[in-house]
Parts: sequence; C-alpha cells; structure tokens
Amino acid sequence: GESVGLHLPTLSVQEGDNSIINCAYSNSASDYFIWYKQESGKGPQFIIDIRSNMDKRQGQRVTVLLNKTVKHLSLQIAATQPGDSAVYFCAEREDNNNDMRFGAGTRLTVKP
Amino acid sequence: GAGVSQSPSNKVTEKGKDVELRCDPISGHTALYWYRQRLGQGLEFLIYFQGNSAPDKSGLPSDRFSAERTGESVSTLTIQRTQQEDSAVYLCASSSTELDYEQYFGPGTRLTVT
Repeated sequence: GESVGLHLPTLSVQEGDNSIINCAYSNSASDYFIWYKQESGKGPQFIIDIRSNMDKRQGQRVTVLLNKTVKHLSLQIAATQPGDSAVYFCAEREDNNNDMRFGAGTRLTVKP
Repeated sequence: GAGVSQSPSNKVTEKGKDVELRCDPISGHTALYWYRQRLGQGLEFLIYFQGNSAPDKSGLPSDRFSAERTGESVSTLTIQRTQQEDSAVYLCASSSTELDYEQYFGPGTRLTVT
C-alpha cells in the first residue's frame, strides 16, 4: 500500500554543519507535506510544511524541498545546533483524507 | 494560551483491563486527532473528530478501541481488554479547523500493558 518512509534512521552531524534529512513517499496524490520534530518524552512539534504545488519553502534555519518527480522530500537545517537533536518525522496527506501518514523518523544527533 | 494536554502521562495496566485516556485540545480547535506511536516508530492515525460531524474511525486497529468527543471539547480514547501489543504512546493533536493541517500535539500518554 501507500507509505511514507525515510532513507536513514540516524544522522549524526557536527555542531555548525548543515543537516539534510530525507524522506521518500509513494502516494502521488499527496497534497500536503509536513516535517515534525520530536524531542524525547514530548509530542511532535511542527517545523515546516509545503503543499504539492510548491517545490521549496524556507523557514528560520530550515528549508523543505519537494521533488514530486521522484516523490522525495527533504528537510535542510542550517548551522545545526545541539538543540536540534531530536527525531524528525515527515508526514503527508491528501486534502480529502483525514489520515496524516507519518514516516518512521530519523534521529538527528548533533555533536558539540 | 494552553496547549494540548493529555492525562495520565503514564499508565501501567494489566492485560485484560480497560483503560481510558483523556485529551484536552486547544480551546477553539474544532479538529482533534488520536495517534498511536510504538517504540521507535512513526505515528499511526487512529481517529479524527471534526466539530459535530461523524468521526473518521478508519484508523482504529480493532473493536477494542473507541473514542468519544463531546462537541469541541475533551476527548477520551478507550481501550478495552488491553493486550500487550497495545503498549505505546498515545498522542492527541488538535487543529483550528479542518482546513488547517498544522496539528498541535499533546505530550502523549505512555501506556504499558503488563
């Protein structure tokens, strides 16, 4: 069936470096994509979202890129900080479907 | 203002017992979601409430799972005759309207079935 998944389960980066977290999805009908950050013991926290009619969106230190041709989503974090250490989830949904489908998550560890 | 709150934060129960988990959404949010998150995994959609419309129960894994919401306020997720595979963190999220996909999550209830 349709699914959302991540290429890498873990990512370790040096403080100050840029991080790129990737996500593959299989549902070509997805209209909306979102990245969440989840710190230990807490619920997911919204980072940034993008609709399917866009290919790039920037936030504060974060950029989401959407490549619909290869069904690939990425989250770029600039100048990664220790506070960025968390599990990052991508999720997608269709406009006419209440089911927000989440990937398994990538654990980002930032080394000082 | 206050975010989404959930109670209890932790629940340990014996196999076969019923449990009830509570979610208080952000005031004014009409949409409410329940998810299950198993250890080291992503979130599984369980159920969605939007205003006074009939809930979308398509994610409930079995008839042991049910949820209620009165109007646009508190929701309870009930698991009957709990099984060990029900052990997970149960997360609740709310959004301001059905058109607002940005969901605000509570801290979750960690359920352990022994």
